[in-house]
Amino acid sequence: EVQLVESGGGLVQPGGSLRLSCAASGSTFSNYAMTWVRQAPGKGLEWVSIITSSGASTFYADSVKGRFTISRDNSKNTLFLQMTSLRAEDTAVYYCAKGGATVTDGFGYWGQGTMVTVSS
Amino acid sequence: DVQLTQSPSSLSASVGDRVTITCQASQDISKYLNWYQHKPGEGPKALIYDASNIETGVPSRFSGSGSGTDFIFTISSLQPEDIATYYCHQYDNLPHTFGQGTKLEIK
Repeated sequence: EVQLVESGGGLVQPGGSLRLSCAASGSTFSNYAMTWVRQAPGKGLEWVSIITSSGASTFYADSVKGRFTISRDNSKNTLFLQMTSLRAEDTAVYYCAKGGATVTDGFGYWGQGTMVTVSS
Repeated sequence: DVQLTQSPSSLSASVGDRVTITCQASQDISKYLNWYQHKPGEGPKALIYDASNIETGVPSRFSGSGSGTDFIFTISSLQPEDIATYYCHQYDNLPHTFGQGTKLEIK
């Protein structure tokens, strides 16, 4: 069974940076697109970013474009999200999820999430 | 961007009831819609993919139907463990988008 474990969340000041990680096991990591989805307190799910299986292509929501960078290390079965210029509205639980063969596939497995709080 | 209008936003039902949630897309997304169950403190769980296919291991009381712009998610006989928030998700086009969620409670 696929397991995804996020880490790296915490409290950061506005304008600060944070790097999230997602460790994957139970499937051939390099075969699948991977994505980040977030949920702000009391709100619904919001897609953040996705990366192709090889890492060659990345896509972002307008709300994070230019501030967040998604990447992956297929040799270590790990997905990353580098977040810079953080704002209060980035406060959320961040989930990584396993996609399919392409970036327009559903998300079959999700991690348990890591909380990011942006506050002074 | 494809907008997904999910309704109702909340729902109270009794154990054994049939529960229906709808999701309407702002444009034709063919069959490219998933349904997820999300419980507090957990990651979302995929229940239905490609609008009507049930994920492995998911109880058969869960089902989905529809194509194009109109989709339906059904729980045929509500169980206490089904208390959660349910989301639809379209993956026909980037950016991925989600419905607003339906919070399901036991009456």
